Amino acid sequence: DTAVSQTPKYLVTQMGNDKSIKCEQNLGHDTMYWYKQDSKKFLKIMFSYNNKELIINETVPNRFSPKSPDKAHLNLHINSLELGDSAVYFCASSQDSGSWLINSPLHFGNGTRLTVT
Amino acid sequence: SQQGEEDPQALSIQEGENATMNCSYKTSINNLQWYRQNSGRGLVHLILIRSNEREKHSGRLRVTLDTSKKSSSLLITASRAADTASYFCATDGADSWGKLQFGAGTQVVVTP
Repeated sequence: DTAVSQTPKYLVTQMGNDKSIKCEQNLGHDTMYWYKQDSKKFLKIMFSYNNKELIINETVPNRFSPKSPDKAHLNLHINSLELGDSAVYFCASSQDSGSWLINSPLHFGNGTRLTVT
Repeated sequence: SQQGEEDPQALSIQEGENATMNCSYKTSINNLQWYRQNSGRGLVHLILIRSNEREKHSGRLRVTLDTSKKSSSLLITASRAADTASYFCATDGADSWGKLQFGAGTQVVVTP
């Protein structure tokens, strides 16, 4: 059973399009995250949600809009895609409550490779 | 901002050898975690070490933490080809409320 699953695995689209990435976790965790990994493998947090509430919004352009319909799902919608959005996007979850301390490991999905042409 | 920085950026060793990689960070931390990422896959958690701990073991992995030097090391003993991956440290720092911040990783290649 896949703990954190993301779809699609690959996404190729043209500039200006709008696309969504879906994420689901079956671990019963309360907190979910979106991370972006660039071509140099540097991983940067974008958002975190705890029980459907936005906890962290890390200076991400407002073209990126996360949505959490329930605590097992965290989707990422991207409007007006730009070339610089090309990256691998990872969803993750943890047992933490979303408070200021991180005491638990993160469980990552296998990523969505987004290519904007 | 990037908190942890791994060193070296890349490491090539033969099976059976030990691999050591280091992580330095800038601010005081609550804990430090190490992750492995195989090509085309997500990150997998290896070890979490708290700021009041100095050493932790898990199988062939040994992690040390020196808070006075703001550094950690990950040692993989008796490496195998399957250990080929990128290894990342991540910190929960005093200036990063609820954010686990990752370095750019050490790419390890283990040749048979």
